[in-house]
Amino acid sequence: GQQLNQSPQSMFIQEGEDVSMNCTSSSIFNTWLWYKQDPGEGPVLLIALYKAGELTSNGRLTAQFGITRKDSFLNISASIPSDVGIYFCAGQTSGTYKYIFGTGTRLKVLA
Amino acid sequence: SQTIHQWPATLVQPVGSPLSLECTVEGTSNPNLYWYRQAAGRGLQLLFYSVGIGQISSEVPQNLSASRPQDRQFILSSKKLLLSDSGFYLCAWSGSDLTYEQYFGPGTRLTVT
Repeated sequence: GQQLNQSPQSMFIQEGEDVSMNCTSSSIFNTWLWYKQDPGEGPVLLIALYKAGELTSNGRLTAQFGITRKDSFLNISASIPSDVGIYFCAGQTSGTYKYIFGTGTRLKVLA
Repeated sequence: SQTIHQWPATLVQPVGSPLSLECTVEGTSNPNLYWYRQAAGRGLQLLFYSVGIGQISSEVPQNLSASRPQDRQFILSSKKLLLSDSGFYLCAWSGSDLTYEQYFGPGTRLTVT
């Protein structure tokens, strides 16, 4: 099925560093969602974005809805060991019920 | 607040046996419901979604089927499991109004032997 291009695929960072990841699509989306998944668990919704250019924060996490509506970005500031996991983006087009998911960014934090 | 439940949490089944996974949502009415499968270390593959009782849309033709017998109940079934059906099955819901957030259940780990 259709998937979003998410990069990077994986990241190894030192504790305290900032992290950036992004998703790009060939389609325009009206909604962008960002999730974190821990091993063996369901994805947990981190941030939802609804307007082009929107910048939304959730604690140390900040996400942006790209101006072109074809991309989105997630930043994590001052990473900590519990940030380890897989981060997924998801986009939805207005008038559809389906969400298109990115391929995931696997984050590992070295203490 | 809304909660989503899935059971069982883990399941080991032999090839050729039937399957029934259940998902229920509490605290909301007329949700949109979804079944995804996730292979080890991979992304999420949408299998089925439903916007109302008895309404099922299939995304990937395969050995599985879905049913929605009640408003907040979504069931994933198979008559005869294949080895390739192994994976992590996730149920999710979203609101039927203008909210676009989607929330996932805890998942079911299925191993077909």
